Amino acid sequence: GNSVTQMEGPVTLSEEAFLTINCTYTATGYPSLFWYVQYPGEGLQLLLKATKADDKGSNKGFEATYRKETTSFHLEKGSVQVSDSAVYFCALSDQTGANNLFFGTGTRLTVIP
Amino acid sequence: EAGVTQFPSHSVIEKGQTVTLRCDPISGHDNLYWYRRVMGKEIKFLLHFVKESKQDESGMPNNRFLAERTGGTYSTLKVQPAELEDSGVYFCASSQDMLVEQYFGPGTRLTVT
Repeated sequence: GNSVTQMEGPVTLSEEAFLTINCTYTATGYPSLFWYVQYPGEGLQLLLKATKADDKGSNKGFEATYRKETTSFHLEKGSVQVSDSAVYFCALSDQTGANNLFFGTGTRLTVIP
Repeated sequence: EAGVTQFPSHSVIEKGQTVTLRCDPISGHDNLYWYRRVMGKEIKFLLHFVKESKQDESGMPNNRFLAERTGGTYSTLKVQPAELEDSGVYFCASSQDMLVEQYFGPGTRLTVT
């Protein structure tokens, strides 16, 4: 079946620190992979995505590379800001038609000045 | 363009009562999804509408949950009777087509006491 395992939080970093949030997946077939972000009081927003192996998704300084050999899609950012404080969700879509998303448990990131 | 909206933002009810959650998708989006996040756990798929038809309701936990999308516009999710384990955040998402980005609403936080 499909599942996503995500790094447990919470994560607290100082501004300008390097961020990594680990995500690994199990899927039948060839999924698309996503990172969603939920800022306080808001809905989930798509942060970035990758649809095939070795693709790199990037947005707002965040990056993640689709690694088929390690079934991973780790989220990274070189220098976090206070405004990056949010909950981050890794997700996959198995692309078999319904496009249902399978999510990880979410990682809460707090960036302190 | 208005995003996905959900009402209410927060509902507190007693065990055994009934609650109805509403989702208004982005105008023109035929696909509408319901998801749920129980405290601290992953966001789980509940069901998927294409227009007014249920495409996939494999994630609905039991027959106390009833989803409708009359006319293919807004959707309601009714829980009757509510149980303690139904507490969580209910998210709605919509997309224009399958296999494209889903846009999420802010969620409805349901607390059953």
